Amino acid sequence: DIVMTQSPDSLAVSLGERATINCKSSQSVFYSSNNKNYLAWYQQKPGQPPKLLIYWASTRESGVPDRFSGSGSGTDFTLTISSLQAEDVAVYYCQQCYSIPLTFGGGTKVEIK
Amino acid sequence: QLQMQESGPGLVKPSETLALTCSVSGGSISSGSHYWGWIRQPPGKGLECIGTIHYSGSTYYNPSLKSRVTISVDTSKNQFSLKLTSVTAADTAIYYCARQQGWEQPFDYWGQGTLVTVSS
Repeated sequence: DIVMTQSPDSLAVSLGERATINCKSSQSVFYSSNNKNYLAWYQQKPGQPPKLLIYWASTRESGVPDRFSGSGSGTDFTLTISSLQAEDVAVYYCQQCYSIPLTFGGGTKVEIK
Repeated sequence: QLQMQESGPGLVKPSETLALTCSVSGGSISSGSHYWGWIRQPPGKGLECIGTIHYSGSTYYNPSLKSRVTISVDTSKNQFSLKLTSVTAADTAIYYCARQQGWEQPFDYWGQGTLVTVSS
């Protein structure tokens, strides 16, 4: 199984400031045949199911605000919230879709400082 | 707008079988390349993919659960189901059903989830 490791476990950021979450996979999730990284990011608010934010490492799902961006390739990825809003308080998960079983990172809790 | 809703018992006794159904509305479960999956989340913990199914009947199960899991689909009812046998307290979790965009793709629609507690 591909192991997904997120860091930090939690972070507190002031409103309007940047939040950065890291995700590392135990092996590459890049498919050279189509030049895509099979890495997704989800947001989960308390009492709600996860919501897909980004797929293919950097493609925003429809309706996701552009303050959310994804980057990285191979084994190292980053989710950036460029200007944290109060409604962004949540736990964020990365997921690899490169091989079965699909696996998630342990989550990063984002709070307001 | 696609909607998904889990249903089933909220309490299951140890050694018994957990059975859940996911009802899909606002779209057909038989549409093309989509897969339909089950994901679980123990209270306060992370997410684990249980398995997925295509309307054709093709399935994949997480190897860690494969010996105890069956996922089936009923296209006439636009539903798919999960059965997990020989449950223990470790199977206590929120169980979500979700749509997978395609094989080896992320989950883009989720149900609200249902808490299943394993306890005598």
